[in-house]
Amino acid sequence: GDSVTQMEGPVTLSEEAFLTINCTYTATGYPSLFWYVQYPGEGLQLLLKATKADDKGSNKGFEATYRKETTSFHLEKGSVQVSDSAVYFCALSGNQGGKLIFGQGTELSVKP
Amino acid sequence: DTEVTQTPKHLVMGMTNKKSLKCEQHMGHRAMYWYKQKAKKPPELMFVYSYEKLSINESVPSRFSPECPNSSLLNLHLHALQPEDSALYLCASSTSGNTIYFGEGSWLTVV
Repeated sequence: GDSVTQMEGPVTLSEEAFLTINCTYTATGYPSLFWYVQYPGEGLQLLLKATKADDKGSNKGFEATYRKETTSFHLEKGSVQVSDSAVYFCALSGNQGGKLIFGQGTELSVKP
Repeated sequence: DTEVTQTPKHLVMGMTNKKSLKCEQHMGHRAMYWYKQKAKKPPELMFVYSYEKLSINESVPSRFSPECPNSSLLNLHLHALQPEDSALYLCASSTSGNTIYFGEGSWLTVV
């Protein structure tokens, strides 16, 4: 079945460092890919998405490119801030009636 | 800003109580979802409603009873819960284009 694998956390960075969180997927067909962010004590927020190969999703300085050849959707940000500290979930939506398949989540902690 | 609104934000209930979680979305979406999430783990799907009809029940115990009164509202009725049911309950909605939007969640503690 479909699955998503994310790099394990926690990831600890200094402010203004470059961020990469790796995400790879296994799916039949052509899934849509998503990054969700969950700040402490809050629900999930859609951060960005891509619906077809080579699409780049971007929001709030974060970017991810849908790479079908490597089945990847890595999240990047050029300069992280303390306020980016959160748990990040990679997810896909395939041919399962709108069900989201989540990765295990990556906790990011940014220190001043 | 999320347009999926959940109430209450926090709920403490005893194992013999009956309570309900409520969800409302204002985006005209025709699919609505309940997810359960434990700390720092990915959300687990519980139920899916499509056009106000239950389309997916992920083998959830009967002590959780969903209800969809209309296309904008989704309830989750709770009865005889166990302490291990304590979690964050997330409501979500989507269009047929499959982007799912979540609410802020209801933090449930069963004592």
